[in-house]
Amino acid sequence: EIVMTQSPATLSVSPGERATLSCRASQSVSSNLAWYQQKPGQAPRLLIYGASTRATGIPARFSGSGSGTEFTLTISSLQSEDFAVYYCQQFNNWPWTFGQGTKVEIK
Amino acid sequence: EVQLVESGGGLVQPGGSLRLSCAASGFTFSSYWMSWVRQAPGKGLEWVANIKQDGGEKYYVDSVKGRFTISRDNAQNSLYLQMNSLRAGDTAVYYCARVYSSTSGKGLDYWGQGTLVTVSS
Repeated sequence: EIVMTQSPATLSVSPGERATLSCRASQSVSSNLAWYQQKPGQAPRLLIYGASTRATGIPARFSGSGSGTEFTLTISSLQSEDFAVYYCQQFNNWPWTFGQGTKVEIK
Repeated sequence: EVQLVESGGGLVQPGGSLRLSCAASGFTFSSYWMSWVRQAPGKGLEWVANIKQDGGEKYYVDSVKGRFTISRDNAQNSLYLQMNSLRAGDTAVYYCARVYSSTSGKGLDYWGQGTLVTVSS
């Protein structure tokens, strides 16, 4: 099983600042990685797939990069609606696995 | 509009069974792989199972193999998860999700609202 490790567990950021979230895979997943945003009481929302392609309707302030074992989700200028938990997920091998999540909170 | 609506959750005793359903609408259900993903209270996401468009391929996380069965009825636009021999550790909100797949990659692009399964005596 591929283990996905996200860091940091919690990121405190002020509105308007840049947020950088990391996701590391225990072995290469190529570019078969997606990012999700989840707010309390809601289902996750797909942000990025293929490591760097924004899903439909996702604002340009969200960007993804990386391949192999190291991935990054960047939110260029945090808006109030961006404070949430973010998960990465690999699709390269069965079982598909998620990271444990990074909570982005208001500083 | 794509919609996924889960049902069938509830309280069940350890060792019991439940069958979850997911009603799909707004897209050609038979053209997509589908997934079940769960989230224990206050915890992260865990992928549970996948099923191919025609039901011919199925994959499971190790912790549910031999206990859970994913299935689908394309004529009814419905996805199912039969859960047997339930344990306390299966307590979670269960989501069904559509698998989006393109040359650029994959993602779970639409999710239901989730249905809560509680395993407790």
